[in-house]
Amino acid sequence: DAKTTQPPSMDCAEGRAANLPCNHSTISGNEYVYWYRQIHSQGPQYIIHGLKNNETNEMASLIITEDRKSSTLILPHATLRDTAVYYCIVRQEGAQKLVFGQGTRLTINP
Amino acid sequence: DTAVSQTPKYLVTQMGNDKSIKCEQNLGHDTMYWYKQDSKKFLKIMFSYNNKELIINETVPNRFSPKSPDKAHLNLHINSLELGDSAVYFCASSQVTANEQFFGPGTRLTVL
Repeated sequence: DAKTTQPPSMDCAEGRAANLPCNHSTISGNEYVYWYRQIHSQGPQYIIHGLKNNETNEMASLIITEDRKSSTLILPHATLRDTAVYYCIVRQEGAQKLVFGQGTRLTINP
Repeated sequence: DTAVSQTPKYLVTQMGNDKSIKCEQNLGHDTMYWYKQDSKKFLKIMFSYNNKELIINETVPNRFSPKSPDKAHLNLHINSLELGDSAVYFCASSQVTANEQFFGPGTRLTVL
């Protein structure tokens, strides 16, 4: 699985959009970009995934660059409950395991 | 309502003891996993079972023995516990063809 690089920490004001970047320059054609988050003392939670098109669901939007070497997770209106560690994971289709990196610790400030 | 449940939530024990952690999922999934999150917060897969068959074993010491009595359960038995086994252990489940894994709340194991 391709390696991902994320900033170790970010801050965002409550109510603003939180934009979390991820670099995955060695991603291959059959690898998807996944995002999970882990709120303190809880298990990881799936957020969204995509291959090359931008994706949106009730939790977030995922923007993948045309060359697929980087992506951005967008939480459109961050709340205090969005404070968590966010993991960007590259994973082959059909692969069972998730390989977690260090993630980005996102703090939403009131 | 709980999708993936683990027991116990906390486990404190002495070095050398044998202990088990239980995991159950009521989502009808065919694949279950154990992950370990160490003190530095690195989260790493240990095992994966599909329909009670071991699929992934990530070079985990053989003191760790997963057991899957049925598709809904994946238990983790640990023999001769060591200090380095102290961690939070997460169980997860998914359909083998699905993209999303559902994680349990974790079991915090402390070995003294």
